[in-house]
Amino acid sequence: GIQVEQSPPDLILQEGANSTLRCNFSDSVNNLQWFHQNPWGQLINLFYIPSGTKQNGRLSATTVATERYSLLYISSSQTTDSGVYFCAVEPNDYKLSFGAGTTVTVRA
Amino acid sequence: SAVISQKPSRDICQRGTSLTIQCQVDSQVTMMFWYRQQPGQSLTLIATANQGSEATYESGFVIDKFPISRPNLTFSTLTVSNLSPEDSSIYLCSVEEGTGRLEQYFGPGTRLTVT
Repeated sequence: GIQVEQSPPDLILQEGANSTLRCNFSDSVNNLQWFHQNPWGQLINLFYIPSGTKQNGRLSATTVATERYSLLYISSSQTTDSGVYFCAVEPNDYKLSFGAGTTVTVRA
Repeated sequence: SAVISQKPSRDICQRGTSLTIQCQVDSQVTMMFWYRQQPGQSLTLIATANQGSEATYESGFVIDKFPISRPNLTFSTLTVSNLSPEDSSIYLCSVEEGTGRLEQYFGPGTRLTVT
């Protein structure tokens, strides 16, 4: 099956800092999504981004499908940004494969 | 996006018993999915549940352990049978929606602890 690798595994930020999370995948995909899992376990949809660039407030994402990677940018981080960020891809069979996640801790 | 609810939100069960988790969506959807998230781990797909057909299970998951029902286009249940402590996980349902899009949305999850 498709392999999804996220880096870094852990990230500690000071409030106000910027950061970049990376997702590499091993095959072409029809779907790529970024999620934020909050401390209560809820998965929040951040981006549906099989290709191109999108922005939503302080978050933005870029997927370069031909090079099989996606980046999630967090700017001016806040303590509420803490949690686990997951990248998930779907090759061509409606099944999402998740990366291991990046645990982000933002300190005040 | 669809509003997805799950019941129960959490439960503590004795080993050897079973737990049935309900997933309700506020709109009709073709495809529903069940995932498991073991403590400190990522999400793993258990099965795909389509209305009117048997669920399709992923490698490592079997119907006897995880029977699934999909009686209509807005509802599904997952039963975790013959519980053991290794079944302690968060179980999440998801749906796929969007015309021309393959975006999945997740329910709030059911946190199961087996003692």
